[in-house]
Amino acid sequence: DGGITQSPKYLFRKEGQNVTLSCEQNLNHDAMYWYRQDPGQGLRLIYYSQIVNDFQKGDIAEGYSVSREKKESFPLTVTSAQKNPTAFYLCASSSWGTGRSFNQPQHFGDGTRLSIL
Amino acid sequence: EDQVTQSPEALRLQEGESSSLNCSYTVSGLRGLFWYRQDPGKGPEFLFTLYSAGEEKEKERLKATLTKKESFLHITAPKPEDSATYLCAVQARYGNKLVFGAGTILRVKS
Repeated sequence: DGGITQSPKYLFRKEGQNVTLSCEQNLNHDAMYWYRQDPGQGLRLIYYSQIVNDFQKGDIAEGYSVSREKKESFPLTVTSAQKNPTAFYLCASSSWGTGRSFNQPQHFGDGTRLSIL
Repeated sequence: EDQVTQSPEALRLQEGESSSLNCSYTVSGLRGLFWYRQDPGKGPEFLFTLYSAGEEKEKERLKATLTKKESFLHITAPKPEDSATYLCAVQARYGNKLVFGAGTILRVKS
């Protein structure tokens, strides 16, 4: 079955520590995204990538970093500079194209819940 | 700035009691409006894409409609398994980014 796999499901971060969240997709999608979800708020875009070796900042990129070395993988690192990292992190992917194909829906993984120790 | 507002924040229905969820939006040229369903502790599951005013899409007990300023998700004769958070998102004319609303939490009691 094609889909998006996020790991781990739960993650705990100590003070001053960087942690990395994994996201792998086998949908052959070009574009991948990272969102943060907080209670009572909409999903907010952290970073996105249209193609391998290229990525752009979203609305709340400060304190986060990403890489896109393979089409299937888009890991997110939450650095110690992110002072309020407790949230539910969602990875998504979609086709990327022009014209009508821009409307392709994003498909989501089941998230990683990050908490502070 | 592109914005999406969903109402109500929470809705409790009896099984079989039909109702509608609202998604109001302001966007610089709408390329698409998306509805998702999210169960607790899970990622959003795609339901519908609407492209232009007047368009309607249906899936089982759900029907989504679109005007130039808002979208409605109509739920007909809901069942307890329809309980979830329903998210609305818009995609502007330029770029592939989605702007999400905060969602409506739906609880259907038997």
